[in-house]
Amino acid sequence: DQQVKQNSPSLSVQEGRISILNCDYTNSMFDYFLWYKKYPAEGPTFLISISSIKDKNEDGRFTVFLNKSAKHLSLHIVPSQPGDSAVYFCAASVRGQNFVFGPGTRLSVLP
Amino acid sequence: GAVVSQHPSWVICKSGTSVKIECRSLDFQATTMFWYRQFPKQSLMLMATSNEGSKATYEQGVEKDKFLINHASLTLSTLTVTSAHPEDSSFYICSARDSGKTNQPQHFGDGTRLSIL
Repeated sequence: DQQVKQNSPSLSVQEGRISILNCDYTNSMFDYFLWYKKYPAEGPTFLISISSIKDKNEDGRFTVFLNKSAKHLSLHIVPSQPGDSAVYFCAASVRGQNFVFGPGTRLSVLP
Repeated sequence: GAVVSQHPSWVICKSGTSVKIECRSLDFQATTMFWYRQFPKQSLMLMATSNEGSKATYEQGVEKDKFLINHASLTLSTLTVTSAHPEDSSFYICSARDSGKTNQPQHFGDGTRLSIL
């Protein structure tokens, strides 16, 4: 049973446009969520987090939105840049313990 | 920022060899570290949770005698792939979280590419 789902395995976006990556979860106890970016043959890099007391967190070009009632979060990247091309993982946890990762979405930003 | 160092980054060795991978938290203490495996074009698969001073917790289907984990200090966990075979070839990644704080992200090492000939 996948507790964290990223239903789009891949996404292509034109440079300068907005990239929206989606993530759904099933466990209502999850209260802390992360997004990671991963390049091939490298470890994932932490991007941005959000706790369940918020519905939005912004850091530069990256904004994460959390909809607790829908058990859905999304990562917005604007404007998208070619260097953003990578695999993006969302992860969920209860109080920051034992993160559960989604399967990832491969983002391609086209010049 | 928090840094996790993983060593070596790439290993090529003969079948039957045992390989040790180190994972260090450089500027924080981690009572718990995590070991993942990633096959090409697939997601991260959690193999085991390494607990400082006690036995590791292995995920279902992961052979504990094959993948030995030692977490002897608050900043170091090691994964030893014993008698490695070609099917063990993969990308192994560790992560750690600052155990002194709540709601902290896991920070990942850069991974170890293991190639068994």
